[in-house]
Amino acid sequence: EAGVAQSPRYKIIEKRQSVAFWCNPISGHATLYWYQQILGQGPKLLIQFQNNGVVDDSQLPKDRFSAERLKGVDSTLKIQPAKLEDSAVYLCASTNYLKGGTDTQYFGPGTRLTVL
Amino acid sequence: SQQGEEDPQALSIQEGENATMNCSYKTSINNLQWYRQNSGRGLVHLILIRSNEREKHSGRLRVTLDTSKKSSSLLITASRAADTASYFCATVFISGGYNKLIFGAGTRLAVHP
Repeated sequence: EAGVAQSPRYKIIEKRQSVAFWCNPISGHATLYWYQQILGQGPKLLIQFQNNGVVDDSQLPKDRFSAERLKGVDSTLKIQPAKLEDSAVYLCASTNYLKGGTDTQYFGPGTRLTVL
Repeated sequence: SQQGEEDPQALSIQEGENATMNCSYKTSINNLQWYRQNSGRGLVHLILIRSNEREKHSGRLRVTLDTSKKSSSLLITASRAADTASYFCATVFISGGYNKLIFGAGTRLAVHP
């Protein structure tokens, strides 16, 4: 079974530029998450999708961050415009989560973003 | 702020020794999970313990959960250099009908040959 795929693995941009990250979850996984992990910290949830609907985006800075999962499979996360403090690893995770069940998440390798 | 707080922040031991990491949290949970992250990689799920369980084992891993103290510990026995990684606890609670994971800041473990 293939794991969660993410691209690119690394991205360096200037502040105020735009950037987009792509995630392909494990086949059949209905729930997809985007996390931001700042160096030395644990992952922080940005947005959670159930199929193509948003379940939780309470911590997504909506003035500059956007995410979509149009067909309920792949997802993209965009930052426009980027700030220095957006430098972090962006992790995508998926799970075959059922309401009331357990929630073991499978993570991709992440995209390391550096904003100069 | 993140719900789980881990202690210690960093741990350095010799191969063969045991490593113990602790996690404290603030609110009621559905379950608690431990993940491992090698440098530059994504997180890998290690073990899950439900709120009605007190102890769980998986290979060289032993997890305990004390819901009265809102704390958990992860013990790695007979550590190996390959265990060098960051370890994160994730507290899981229900929000809006869905499970929500909150990660701690992690413990960075270094195992020296």
